[in-house]
Amino acid sequence: DAGVTQSPTHLIKTRGQQVTLRCSPKSGHDTVSWYQQALGQGPQFIFQYYEEEERQRGNFPDRFSGHQFPNYSSELNVNALLLGDSALYLCASSLYGSGGPDYGYTFGSGTRLTVV
Amino acid sequence: ELKVEQNPLFLSMQEGKNYTIYCNYSTTSDRLYWYRQDPGKSLESLFVLLSNGAVKQEGRLMASLDTKARLSTLHITAAVHDLSATYFCAVSRDSNYQLIWGAGTKLIIKP
Repeated sequence: DAGVTQSPTHLIKTRGQQVTLRCSPKSGHDTVSWYQQALGQGPQFIFQYYEEEERQRGNFPDRFSGHQFPNYSSELNVNALLLGDSALYLCASSLYGSGGPDYGYTFGSGTRLTVV
Repeated sequence: ELKVEQNPLFLSMQEGKNYTIYCNYSTTSDRLYWYRQDPGKSLESLFVLLSNGAVKQEGRLMASLDTKARLSTLHITAAVHDLSATYFCAVSRDSNYQLIWGAGTKLIIKP
């Protein structure tokens, strides 16, 4: 049973460029959330997608956008990259409205983005 | 606004000792999570606590939740080196809401 898969694992971009990160959720999950984790800090919520719509959004600028596909996979796009966007980007999948035993979120291994 | 505070932020301890990590949160929360993160790695789910008085144990780790005090604890019993990691608590208003994270507790266990 595959867990959450993220690609690429590492990425180096130049300021001002655009980047796309990808996430495939755990089998059976239908909701994808994206988090940004700066070095030495806790993750910060970016947004959540369910039924191909953005359901919740954290305190991130419009430069951060996303998409969810019919197969539940998701993309995170960041435009006009800044040095401060350097971080580990984590994708978490879950089952929307789960009242069963699977209460938790499953995280992928993350994409380490470095902006130079 | 839902906020989460962990303490201590850094903990260095000897193998065989016991210690507790504390997690306070600011407003009513439906559920509390504990995660482990090894350096350069992703987040591993440890516990999900859903109700007042909930207690869960796995090996040398035990987590508890007091919703009235808005406090969760992660207790480490007879620590071993393999438990060295950063431990995060996170809270959520409900099963679909975003996770709000603490800053993490970096735990180093010395032989």
